[in-house]
Amino acid sequence: QQPVQSPQAVILREGEDAVINCSSSKALYSVHWYRQKHGEAPVFLMILLKGGEQKGHEKISASFNEKKQQSSLYLTASQLSYSGTYFCGTEGKNNNDMRFGAGTRLTVKP
Amino acid sequence: GAGVSQSPRYKVAKRGQDVALRCDPISGHVSLFWYQQALGQGPEFLTYFQNEAQLDKSGLPSDRFFAERPEGSVSTLKIQRTQQEDSAVYLCASSLGGGQGYETQYFGPGTRLLVL
Repeated sequence: QQPVQSPQAVILREGEDAVINCSSSKALYSVHWYRQKHGEAPVFLMILLKGGEQKGHEKISASFNEKKQQSSLYLTASQLSYSGTYFCGTEGKNNNDMRFGAGTRLTVKP
Repeated sequence: GAGVSQSPRYKVAKRGQDVALRCDPISGHVSLFWYQQALGQGPEFLTYFQNEAQLDKSGLPSDRFFAERPEGSVSTLKIQRTQQEDSAVYLCASSLGGGQGYETQYFGPGTRLLVL
């Protein structure tokens, strides 16, 4: 029931764009995105609750395709501070059944 | 601070030793979650509390793992007779309500457990 993330890792130059995908084999009711820097707690980025919903947070945005049971996180004009590991968490019907993907390690270089 | 706190931040245990990990959730948060995060992996669900009730413990890997939240606030994760495979970061998260919708989970900094 763990969602699958791709790619596993990506290296960018400052200013480049990236897309991180998250897909699930079960019906999804919500998708949560987190970023975790080394040795720190995962930090909440955004939650998508409805199929077709898109959200933005500065230059980081996400979409949720309920039918395809997948979500994508878009990072545009990446900054050095975007480096970290990005996790998607997916939920079914119950608030307490969130499961996380294995993560996508993003490295932004000058 | 107003965030989730965990203690200790680091714990080194000898194989066979018992350990207790503490989580202080955000004040007023009803739901509390424990996760285990192995190196290079995502958080894996261990158990979930709503107030003092442990509603889901399906992720606990063995009967050596035990969690409690007796007064509906602070929670303790106990691992008995630790094994090397228990080495991981143990994350605690809390959220505001219980089953009312899809809520943000706020994570603590984690306890890094190393079993020698």
